[in-house]
Amino acid sequence: ETGVTQSPTHLIKTRGQQVTLRCSSQSGHNTVSWYQQALGQGPQFIFQYYREEENGRGNFPPRFSGLQFPNYSSELNVNALELDDSALYLCASSGGPPGTKETQYFGPGTRLLVL
Amino acid sequence: GDSVTQMEGPVTLSEEAFLTINCTYTATGYPSLFWYVQYPGEGLQLLLKATKADDKGSNKGFEATYRKETTSFHLEKGSVQVSDSAVYFCALSPNQGGKLIFGQGTELSVKP
Repeated sequence: ETGVTQSPTHLIKTRGQQVTLRCSSQSGHNTVSWYQQALGQGPQFIFQYYREEENGRGNFPPRFSGLQFPNYSSELNVNALELDDSALYLCASSGGPPGTKETQYFGPGTRLLVL
Repeated sequence: GDSVTQMEGPVTLSEEAFLTINCTYTATGYPSLFWYVQYPGEGLQLLLKATKADDKGSNKGFEATYRKETTSFHLEKGSVQVSDSAVYFCALSPNQGGKLIFGQGTELSVKP
């Protein structure tokens, strides 16, 4: 069984640029969630996708957007990067509809540095 | 709103010592509770979980019991090893599911 994978592992961007991060779900999982983990902090929920539709969003501005594809892989896009966007971005997948409180399994993360 | 509070770290123990990391939560309804572990430079790994009151989650010698009366989910291990050195996160999934809400994490360092 293949786990959650993310790409790239590391990324350096400059302020104002745009970035796209990618995630492949664990086999059989149809729900993907994205989290931002600043250094020394716990992960913060960005949003969740279920069957290609956004299903819940945390306290992040609209320049954070996402997509989920028919194969349940997902992208996180961040426009107009700011220095505070520097963080580890984690993707998690789970099986079943979100309301069933299925366990979320995390990928290794993408570490983004904004200069 | 729902929240999770963990004891502050870092926690430094000698090998074979007893470990307790405190976690309390605030939530409406009946959340599910989780402990995740993060090794240096890696993502989060699920350590254990409990989905209802009085459930005990256990894995790799770690245990935690869902205590609704004290809104707690403390992590324990009887004898820690150097390889247990990591950051431990307590988290809850709200009654309606969806997102995970995490505590701030507790760093554990185990010395030989």
